Order: sequence, then structure tokens, then C-alpha cells
Amino acid sequence: KAGVTQTPRYLIKTRGQQVTLSCSPISGHRSVSWYQQTPGQGLQFLFEYFSETQRNKGNFPGRFSGRQFSNSRSEMNVSTLELGDSALYLCASSPGTDSYEQYFGPGTRLTVT
Amino acid sequence: QKEVEQDPGPLSVPEGAIVSLNCTYSNSAFQYFMWYRQYSRKGPELLMYTYSSGNKEDGRFTAQVDKSSKYISLFIRDSQPSDSATYLCAIWGYQKVTFGIGTKLQVIP
Repeated sequence: KAGVTQTPRYLIKTRGQQVTLSCSPISGHRSVSWYQQTPGQGLQFLFEYFSETQRNKGNFPGRFSGRQFSNSRSEMNVSTLELGDSALYLCASSPGTDSYEQYFGPGTRLTVT
Repeated sequence: QKEVEQDPGPLSVPEGAIVSLNCTYSNSAFQYFMWYRQYSRKGPELLMYTYSSGNKEDGRFTAQVDKSSKYISLFIRDSQPSDSATYLCAIWGYQKVTFGIGTKLQVIP
């Protein structure tokens, strides 16, 4: 089975712009979670989608949003980018109803200048 | 207090040593306990997960959970240079996974 794929792998944006990141889960997985990883904070949970519904959300501002499509592919959007949004954004998919068993993609490295 | 505490290291050991990595957590309602390995510039890779207190082995890796102390450990036997990576503990509860900061491990040949 193919693993989790994320596009693009690298992105450079300017403050104030918006960005959309894409994630394709492992075939058959219905849960997709998104994380932000920075050296100081580690992996921070953004949100989780299951069968097109947001099931849980972390403590991030409303500038961070996401969605999931009927084929389980997911996108996350960050509007009005700030310098502090520079990070590795990771997507993980889970096979079951409970999302404890997570398989990560390689991430999208976002740099905001 | 963070929900999951993990010493960031770095931890340097000679090849062949037994490595012990640890985390503590604060919420007794947490249900699943996981360990991930992350190589530089890669996404985390799930090594093991467990539900109950006790030990779970997989090759050179042993995960240990003590729910009464809210303490989880990962032991690596016969450590190899290829084990050099960041190891993250993770705990699942309330429909989300909470990660430790990760411990950077270097195994020196």
C-alpha cells in the first residue's frame, strides 16, 4: 500500500498570504489528522477529520482551517500568514474509528518571510 | 504543566548499549500509549503502541507502561547507529494524540 502523501513538500510564502496544503491518506483510512511541528513546541495537534467531519480541534486560531473530501483526501488552509507559522506541517492517517494508530506523511515545510 | 513530559536530550550512547527513553503524563484517562521514531527531515514513524500496563516487545524494542505512576518507557537493546533519531512518545485520549517534545538519540559507532 502506498503511504501518506503530502504536497507540496516545500513552500515559501510571504506574510499576509494564504496557503493550502494537501494530504492523501493511506487507502482505506478514513481519519486524517494535521499537526504543526516546530523545534520549540514539538508536534502540536491542529485538527482531525473523520468521514468528512471535523471531529476534534486543537488550540490554534481560526486562520487555520481544514476540510476532508469524500475520498478521504484532506486539505488544510492557513490564511493571513505570520512569520510564526513557519513550521513543518504533518498529516497522519488512521485505519480505525479511534485515531491512536497514526501513520505520518513526510510533511510540508512552510517558510514564511 | 504539559500533558506529556519528555526530556529532549540529546542522549549519546555507544553502539551496543541499552537505551532507555521515558515520558510522564498527567491525565489518567489517557488510553493508548505510542512511540514514534523520526529521522531528520522525515515524518514520524510509528514503532509501537500499547493499551495496558506492562511490557510489549518488538525485536530490539520494548515498550513499558506503568499506569499507576503515569510513566512510559521505551528500551532499545543492542543499539545501532541507524537508531540515531528523535524518539517521540505519544498518548491518545479524548479523540486526539498528544506528543512529547521528543528525545534526540545519537548512537556512536
